[in-house]
Amino acid sequence: DAKTTQPNSMESNEEEPVHLPCNHSTISGTDYIHWYRQLPSQGPEYVIHGLTSNVNNRMASLAIAEDRKSSTLILHRATLRDAAVYYCILRDVQIPSNTGKLIFGQGTTLQVKP
Amino acid sequence: DARVTQTPRHKVTEMGQEVTMRCQPILGHNTVFWYRQTMMQGLELLAYFRNRAPLDDSGMPKDRFSAEMPDATLATLKIQPSEPRDSAVYFCASGSAGAGDTQYFGPGTRLTVL
Repeated sequence: DAKTTQPNSMESNEEEPVHLPCNHSTISGTDYIHWYRQLPSQGPEYVIHGLTSNVNNRMASLAIAEDRKSSTLILHRATLRDAAVYYCILRDVQIPSNTGKLIFGQGTTLQVKP
Repeated sequence: DARVTQTPRHKVTEMGQEVTMRCQPILGHNTVFWYRQTMMQGLELLAYFRNRAPLDDSGMPKDRFSAEMPDATLATLKIQPSEPRDSAVYFCASGSAGAGDTQYFGPGTRLTVL
């Protein structure tokens, strides 16, 4: 499985945008980029995923570099409820037995200050 | 909102005892995952099933752990005998095979083995 690198922690102020970076220099052409987050004392929850194009949903936006070696999760207006560990994960869809399998790294702990 | 449910939410047991954790996946999902989370190791994939058949259990200690899906609405993870190093939060997740393969996590079972 291709590896991702994320900062251990980041801080943000409430109601300001947050850009969470992820490096994945060994990404392959068939790797999807997934983001999950884990709020305190809860299970992880899906945030967003993409392959090549930028993606938007109600929770966040995902900006993918043209060479796909990095991506950025964007929270447009951070709230206190967004304080969580954010995981950037690559998933190769070409290996049938790995379909759906996620390998979690250490993630980025996001603190949101009032 | 359809959710993954896990029971029990908390379990305290003594070393050597058998522990059974249960998971009810979201109706219609055909893939079920078991993860373990500790401070030291983070989130680790233990095993997963598709259409009730085990696809990969390479992350699971084989001598004491076993995972089964007796039917489409129930997945179980058993530890026998339990050891203090098994203390962790165990998460179940379910999803449907496909390009997105989003996983939906349960609230977890917090296991403490004394």
